[in-house]
Amino acid sequence: QKEVEQNSGPLSVPEGAIASLNCTYSDRGSQSFFWYRQYSGKSPELIMSIYSNGDKEDGRFTAQLNKASQYVSLLIRDSQPSDSATYLCAVNMPTGGFKTIFGAGTRLFVKA
Amino acid sequence: DAGVTQSPTHLIKTRGQHVTLRCSPISGHKSVSWYQQVLGQGPQFIFQYYEKEERGRGNFPDRFSARQFPNYSSELNVNALLLGDSALYLCASYIGQGAYEQYFGPGTRLTVT
Repeated sequence: QKEVEQNSGPLSVPEGAIASLNCTYSDRGSQSFFWYRQYSGKSPELIMSIYSNGDKEDGRFTAQLNKASQYVSLLIRDSQPSDSATYLCAVNMPTGGFKTIFGAGTRLFVKA
Repeated sequence: DAGVTQSPTHLIKTRGQHVTLRCSPISGHKSVSWYQQVLGQGPQFIFQYYEKEERGRGNFPDRFSARQFPNYSSELNVNALLLGDSALYLCASYIGQGAYEQYFGPGTRLTVT
């Protein structure tokens, strides 16, 4: 089992729709969770962080965390073509010291 | 404020050589992490330093080493380069003290021939 798993996609949604990106993680002791966006040829850019169970909203983005199910998701409302990128889920794993584990990423395409 | 900076931007090395990559964190950030990213994968954790001490290490061979300086900048060193070390090397910094949001630099593209 991978430490952080994401559906590789690609996920294709029409402009204006809601894009839903999912991530599961293996370490129950994990306490902090992050979503990054990465455009081709660029470095990852932080979108959201979430530390507590429930929803956290920031503009068109909503992160959802369920620690009991070891599941974190990102919703993008009113998707725009400029949202087309790879979305990376990252989890801080407390086991064996401090380390941040990234999923392989989900490629999102927003069709105009 | 300036973001995370990395140097050099690109680098070409030959198998068996040594390389040093450099990173300066965002002002006020005391922690630096290093990642390796190959095409089609997410960043792979190499090291994390906080206040000049190593706090975490990923599953990389001993050919990889790093250090953090008193001004919180950092170096990643890779010895005896292999073709498989060709990748984008990313540095990220965060404040610490309960805030773990990491901000990435532009990366160093290393090609080993």
